[in-house]
Amino acid sequence: SQTIHQWPATLVQPVGSPLSLECTVEGTSNPNLYWYRQAAGRGLQLLFYSVGIGQISSEVPQNLSASRPQDRQFILSSKKLLLSDSGFYLCAWGQTYQAFFGQGTRLTVV
Amino acid sequence: AQSVTQLGSHVSVSEGALVLLRCNYSSSVPPYLFWYVQYPNQGLQLLLKYTSAATLVKGINGFEAEFKKSETSFHLTKPSAHMSDAAEYFCAVSDRSSNTGKLIFGQGTTLQVKP
Repeated sequence: SQTIHQWPATLVQPVGSPLSLECTVEGTSNPNLYWYRQAAGRGLQLLFYSVGIGQISSEVPQNLSASRPQDRQFILSSKKLLLSDSGFYLCAWGQTYQAFFGQGTRLTVV
Repeated sequence: AQSVTQLGSHVSVSEGALVLLRCNYSSSVPPYLFWYVQYPNQGLQLLLKYTSAATLVKGINGFEAEFKKSETSFHLTKPSAHMSDAAEYFCAVSDRSSNTGKLIFGQGTTLQVKP
């Protein structure tokens, strides 16, 4: 069966520091991968998606970037965090009919 | 462009009462439709999905939803609320014409269940 791992679960980072969140998927090959952000009191916003290694599509302009160095690895990064980057970040893998989510990372920028 | 509207950011019901969470979508063609549940500080769990088979879809934990094309709606219901149903619920759509599987989410509805 497929599983998705996302870490860390919580993270507190100072403004201006770098960020790296990692997500890996097991049990499937060539999955579509997604990064979503959930800000307080708001719904989920799709940040990036990838349909293959090295293929990244950005949905919204922002301070973050994504990379897919391996088929089942998806990384969310920032060179310098902003206060507005705080939120709950969710990685997902999916196909046309549905998406499967990781447990999320709670990022607090202070 | 597709969009999803969930009417009511907070819904409160008594234990044993009917749960009704509303979702309307905007799309030029009927999309795939989903309901997800999120418990505090956890990821999203799929409750049910509509992919063009029966318009009344049954999901986990006693939830069901009905796709009504004429009303562009996909409301989520449960006959009798349990305390364990307290969570945040998200309606989402996926574009049939795209193979990327991207989901567009509503703003979410927080369900409170009172004893």
